[in-house]
Amino acid sequence: GQNIDQPTEMTATEGAIVQINCTYQTSGFNGLFWYQQHAGEAPTFLSYNVLDGLEEKGRFSSFLSRSKGYSYLLLKELQMKDSASYLCAATDSNYQLIWGAGTKLIIKP
Amino acid sequence: IAGITQAPTSQILAAGRRMTLRCTQDMRHNAMYWYRQDLGLGLRLIHYSNTAGTTGKGEVPDGYSVSRANTDDFPLTLASAVPSQTSVYFCASSVAAGGRNEQFFGPGTRLTVL
Repeated sequence: GQNIDQPTEMTATEGAIVQINCTYQTSGFNGLFWYQQHAGEAPTFLSYNVLDGLEEKGRFSSFLSRSKGYSYLLLKELQMKDSASYLCAATDSNYQLIWGAGTKLIIKP
Repeated sequence: IAGITQAPTSQILAAGRRMTLRCTQDMRHNAMYWYRQDLGLGLRLIHYSNTAGTTGKGEVPDGYSVSRANTDDFPLTLASAVPSQTSVYFCASSVAAGGRNEQFFGPGTRLTVL
């Protein structure tokens, strides 16, 4: 079956670094997305990885290991506005996104 | 219109009633999607359309139907609503299906079926 696993909730301190992990199992693989979703709002795109390695975009970086079925999202210099849910989604062989349940990130001052 | 819009924002519906959720995008995207989001679960794909005139079934299509008469509009119809269809519904679009084509989401419709 197809499955995406990520922690339900994480807590971090303002100014710190946090890593949100995601493991995936899909029928075929055509890339992995990370989205951010603030409470009561729509998801918005953060990053896309299809090759192994790290993609850096400002304070956010995303890593992929295809052989391990593993990705992480790294958030640096955390700000209060980063409090949100972070959704991991893998693209299967039919190019449909399989979504994880999301990781709720709580930032404390 | 800027981006992707959905209507209504929220709705309370009696079980057994018919309901159409509207979705319109002005980005000339070829692919469109309907998802439902329930607490503790990931977004689940209901139906999708890779291009105008074509539609496909997602993971949870039962009880829902869609049409794609033109590029911009992708309405979702609940023929006879049931309480288990209480959810937040998101419409999304992308330039094309697959690849690194990110999906852009509408603001969502919060539907309660009593």
